Amino acid sequence: SQTIHQWPATLVQPVGSPLSLECTVEGTSNPNLYWYRQAAGRGLQLLFYSVGIGQISSEVPQNLSASRPQDRQFILSSKKLLLSDSGFYLCAWRSQGADGYTFGSGTRLTVV
Amino acid sequence: SQKIEQNSEALNIQEGKTATLTCNYTNYSPAYLQWYRQDPGRGPVFLLLIRENEKEKRKERLKVTFDTTLKQSLFHITASQPADSATYLCALNLSGGSYIPTFGRGTSLIVHP
Repeated sequence: SQTIHQWPATLVQPVGSPLSLECTVEGTSNPNLYWYRQAAGRGLQLLFYSVGIGQISSEVPQNLSASRPQDRQFILSSKKLLLSDSGFYLCAWRSQGADGYTFGSGTRLTVV
Repeated sequence: SQKIEQNSEALNIQEGKTATLTCNYTNYSPAYLQWYRQDPGRGPVFLLLIRENEKEKRKERLKVTFDTTLKQSLFHITASQPADSATYLCALNLSGGSYIPTFGRGTSLIVHP
């Protein structure tokens, strides 16, 4: 079956520290992968998407970056976190022909 | 600018009644519209997709309408149950553009027993 894994579930990081969030998908090949952020009281904001290995499109300029080293792996990174990076980060994928996205369980990031 | 509007106030209804949530949009020509359910601390779960040439879509107790003239979608849950309590998000895709949807902020539904 097709599943999406995202970790960690929660993370508390100091300002200026690095970040690495990982997302992996099982049971499919060549998925389109997405990173969203949901700040408190706000909608889902698309950060990055990828249609294949090494192919990253950025939707919002900021101090975050994304990489796709393997077909079913999508990583969100930062070299130096800001307070404004706090939020709920969600990885998602969509299989070809599917009507909707499948989201991971999310990572709650608090930058202190 | 393009905008998606969902009522920010929570909708409180009594169990057994029909819940109706609204999604309005401006300056879009969406090819289709999606509805998701999100529980606290969890990722959204896809519910329904309706295309621009469809007026209505049903799935069990759920019904979605899509009025491209009014630029509005209505999401109905009939015979609501306390377990239906959650935040419901609508998302739009641009006609002729990429598949990537833009999400509204969501409306919280609270069903009282």
